[in-house]
Amino acid sequence: GQNIDQPTEMTATEGAIVQINCTYQTSGFNGLFWYQQHAGEAPTFLSYNVLDGLEEKGRFSSFLSRSKGYSYLLLKELQMKDSASYLCALQTAGGSYIPTFGRGTSLIVHP
Amino acid sequence: EPEVTQTPSHQVTQMGQEVILRCVPISNHLYFYWYRQILGQKVEFLVSFYNNEISEKSEIFDDQFSVERPDGSNFTLKIRSTKLEDSAMYFCASSEGTGGGEKLFFGSGTQLSVL
Repeated sequence: GQNIDQPTEMTATEGAIVQINCTYQTSGFNGLFWYQQHAGEAPTFLSYNVLDGLEEKGRFSSFLSRSKGYSYLLLKELQMKDSASYLCALQTAGGSYIPTFGRGTSLIVHP
Repeated sequence: EPEVTQTPSHQVTQMGQEVILRCVPISNHLYFYWYRQILGQKVEFLVSFYNNEISEKSEIFDDQFSVERPDGSNFTLKIRSTKLEDSAMYFCASSEGTGGGEKLFFGSGTQLSVL
């Protein structure tokens, strides 16, 4: 089986930096996705990590440590439009590559 | 940019009725999925579909659910006899391939309300 754990909610100030953590347990790890989901909308892809380390993509970066079962999504220069849920999703090895989603972290950015 | 489209955006039905949710995946994608999200809960996998057959399904996808690709563009989810607990947002998704890092593209969802 697998387990994905994320904080339920976070708040941050416009222009600041926020780090959203995801810890996981799984019997076979293949990769980890981060998706963004605005209220009432579809999840959209942000990043994918399969190797340890930091992947940077503009204002968003994602980090993975496979040995620790840990990832984080780093959002810099926060904007009001970044208010959304951020979903950590595991891709497991051993046949199925279908992502399994965590409960997501609701980020509220205030002025 | 190509996108996955879903219809209708909202569907209200009576308990026990059949509903069909429709999706048009991205045209060159080969793998199709249905997920659902009950209000305030996580996005849950229902079923995946490839080469005109189900490739994987979850425990949620029981006998009341079925999927079909009736033609070259549409992908449907049928719920035969809806229950109150089927009320959720249903997302269709597609991907070009399958494997490590293959990202899913989601449609905007169908909000199903069972009364």
